[in-house]
Amino acid sequence: DARVTQTPRHKVTEMGQEVTMRCQPILGHNTVFWYRQTMMQGLELLAYFRNRAPLDDSGMPKDRFSAEMPDATLATLKIQPSEPRDSAVYFCASGSNFRMGETQYFGPGTRLLVL
Amino acid sequence: GNSVTQMEGPVTLSEEAFLTINCTYTATGYPSLFWYVQYPGEGLQLLLKATKADDKGSNKGFEATYRKETTSFHLEKGSVQVSDSAVYFCALILSGSARQLTFGSGTQLTVLP
Repeated sequence: DARVTQTPRHKVTEMGQEVTMRCQPILGHNTVFWYRQTMMQGLELLAYFRNRAPLDDSGMPKDRFSAEMPDATLATLKIQPSEPRDSAVYFCASGSNFRMGETQYFGPGTRLLVL
Repeated sequence: GNSVTQMEGPVTLSEEAFLTINCTYTATGYPSLFWYVQYPGEGLQLLLKATKADDKGSNKGFEATYRKETTSFHLEKGSVQVSDSAVYFCALILSGSARQLTFGSGTQLTVLP
């Protein structure tokens, strides 16, 4: 049963610290998405990749957030420096290709708390 | 722009009651439509989808029909169970280069025994 995995599942850190979240997409999927979920904003798309290339990261605060795919099996989302307003659940999702009706499969999320 | 509007929650039902969660959309083209479910502490799971007008998606007793004339994709279930308690998200995706899911705000469903 192929799944998207994310690490860590929970992270508590202090303001100003660097946070790195990792995602392993489903093997063979070529699109990867990063979302942030908060009570106030709901689900927000931060960035997405196709074939490891970033296609859109307009939803991401550029000054502190960065997203990369070092290889096809790993996507990372980094926050440096972190701020309390970054506290949220961060989801990674992957999909198989770019055709109509493509389904995105979500990981379990990383729950981040910045104190 | 594209948007999805869901009925506001929370929705509280007794076990075996009939469920409807309304979803309407605005899109510049012909979207595919999805319902995702999020159980407490978990990520989103695809519940069902429909890719063209009049298609009906179904899964686990849930159904939704893609209604182009009313731009709607209402979620229904004839008899809910306690285990259906979750947050339900309606979403759409359009063809083209921007393959982004546009989500509704989510509807919290609580089913009481």
